[in-house]
Amino acid sequence: QLQLQESGPGLVRPSETLALTCTLSSGSVSSNSYYWGWIRQPPGKGLEWIGSIYYSGKTYSNPSLRSRVTLSLGTSKNQFSLELSSVTASDTAVYFCARLSAATIKFDYWGLGVLVTVSS
Amino acid sequence: QSALTQPASVSGSPGQSITISCTGSSSDIGGTIYVSWYQQHPGKAPKLLIYEVSNRPSGISSRFSGSKSGNTASLSISGLQAEDEADYYCISYTNTNTLVIFGGGTKLTVL
Repeated sequence: QLQLQESGPGLVRPSETLALTCTLSSGSVSSNSYYWGWIRQPPGKGLEWIGSIYYSGKTYSNPSLRSRVTLSLGTSKNQFSLELSSVTASDTAVYFCARLSAATIKFDYWGLGVLVTVSS
Repeated sequence: QSALTQPASVSGSPGQSITISCTGSSSDIGGTIYVSWYQQHPGKAPKLLIYEVSNRPSGISSRFSGSKSGNTASLSISGLQAEDEADYYCISYTNTNTLVIFGGGTKLTVL
């Protein structure tokens, strides 16, 4: 059973860059069967897709966040990362990483989520 | 990119059936079989309920079913149980250069 684990600072200052890493318990981000993605959820609000990255490095992202989002695959084959630049209080949210099946476009495995607060 | 449209809330009594709609466009729901549904309980990660419009993953109760007509997908839950009280989200593939689009979510209350 695959497990995903988000990690990173729980507090980020305004205007700085939020950086998170997702670690897989098994398997590799190098598989051509999956995209690896990030979704966030502000307190009391709905899910918002941030973006996903394919094994080839090709990325897709939410147009509303695209200019601030950087997705990357880790040098260790069991990690991938998110960077969100120039954060403001509105970026405060629980951030989830998730696996998206390329064949069926379903998010079949999710991390537990990590709360990131943007505050000075 | 506008989100897929879901009702903010629905409710039903135990044992009843409910349906949650998810409306998009010909660029997403109307043009693909890749529509999925997720259940999220408070403080938890979302859980896959339905994929490819109407397929259930192993372990998901047959009380959950999905369908699609035109640009609208639907999730139906029969025999409502207290544990079904949660938020529900639809997600669709989109043929724009974005890959996926999310619904705004629907809160299900079991009365």
